[in-house]
Amino acid sequence: GENVEQHPSTLSVQEGDSAVIKCTYSDSASNYFPWYKQELGKGPQLIIDIRSNVGEKKDQRIAVTLNKTAKHFSLHITETQPEDSAVYFCAAIYNNAGNMLTFGGGTRLMVKP
Amino acid sequence: GAVVSQHPSWVICKSGTSVKIECRSLDFQATTMFWYRQFPKQSLMLMATSNEGSKATYEQGVEKDKFLINHASLTLSTLTVTSAHPEDSSFYICSARLVSTDTQYFGPGTRLTVL
Repeated sequence: GENVEQHPSTLSVQEGDSAVIKCTYSDSASNYFPWYKQELGKGPQLIIDIRSNVGEKKDQRIAVTLNKTAKHFSLHITETQPEDSAVYFCAAIYNNAGNMLTFGGGTRLMVKP
Repeated sequence: GAVVSQHPSWVICKSGTSVKIECRSLDFQATTMFWYRQFPKQSLMLMATSNEGSKATYEQGVEKDKFLINHASLTLSTLTVTSAHPEDSSFYICSARLVSTDTQYFGPGTRLTVL
């Protein structure tokens, strides 16, 4: 089955700096890679996703890159703000395999004002 | 759009009682919903896949007689924790799959505390 590894487990940045979270996956058949933000005591919220037919996607301060050959994808947050502080999860899925997401272990991002 | 709700948001119960958690897709129909549990500072662990009109598929190690799942309509799935014990205390989260984009949207979670 799919295995997703996420690094780092914790990340502390100064407000205004950029933050990068990286994930690797094992199943080359995976073709959809969402990123979720989870605030304390809440459910995960989809913030951006990328499909295997593109290499990069951007939405304002958030971007995701995908390297299918190396089987890794990354989340980039620019101009970080204190409200970006949360736990971020990457996930991978092969859409024909019962749609079960495999999650990374999570990254706790702390943005210091 | 693509809003998923859960009820209740938190529940405290005595050991041995059963607790039902509802998961609703508010503005879309979901043939497939998923149930996860999450322990503090850990990732989400898939418990089962709930398919409308058929039996749920449970992950290895999850007792189907203890965690009863019903997906009776395209907008509602329920998880019943039967004879709950303190070790069942956790954060339970559901998600619903939006077919048009194959995207999963999560509910806000239900915190269960079993005394």
